[in-house]
Amino acid sequence: AQSVTQLGSHVSVSEGALVLLRCNYSSSVPPYLFWYVQYPNQGLQLLLKYTSAATLVKGINGFEAEFKKSETSFHLTKPSAHMSDAAEYFCAVSEHTGTASKLTFGTGTRLQVTL
Amino acid sequence: DTGVSQNPRHKITKRGQNVTFRCDPISEHNRLYWYRQTLGQGPEFLTYFQNEAQLEKSRLLSDRFSAERPKGSFSTLEIQRTEQGDSAMYLCASSPFGPPNSFGTGELFFGEGSRLTVL
Repeated sequence: AQSVTQLGSHVSVSEGALVLLRCNYSSSVPPYLFWYVQYPNQGLQLLLKYTSAATLVKGINGFEAEFKKSETSFHLTKPSAHMSDAAEYFCAVSEHTGTASKLTFGTGTRLQVTL
Repeated sequence: DTGVSQNPRHKITKRGQNVTFRCDPISEHNRLYWYRQTLGQGPEFLTYFQNEAQLEKSRLLSDRFSAERPKGSFSTLEIQRTEQGDSAMYLCASSPFGPPNSFGTGELFFGEGSRLTVL
């Protein structure tokens, strides 16, 4: 089964600083990878996805992620944090079998942005 | 496009009672998913429909849980004889990918969730 590990359940950065949220995956087949963001009391919103095209993926709100097969990683970055980026971020991998297409999520990283 | 809609948003119930959640997916999406999210955890897959057919159920879905999607549109998730361990956020998601047994990219569109508290 495929799995995702997110290192660091809480990350705190200053406004304007670099954001780096780590995600490593385990997969026996080429994965599809996703980052979702969840604001308080809201559902999950897709930030970006990797589906075997370009390894550097750009998403919404200035976020991007790079797929590195050799490191089995898909870390999320943003050059300059904004207060509005404070939220919970989930990395996910798509499992695909003959009958299913579902996401397996990591445990999440809560991003705090301070002044 | 109104997005995925879930009702009720919050439900407080006593242990042993039955509860039902409803999910209205984005129209024309033929896949519908239920996930459960507990505090400090990521969403965990429960079950998935392709139109009205329930194609997969997680081992997390005990026999007290039942999900239906009778006409391939909205779906209900019922929990019978609730237990305190059922307290969680129940998330519904839909996606436009099909046909059956095909591989989609897995992108899901989530509702805001239904939070269940069992006292």
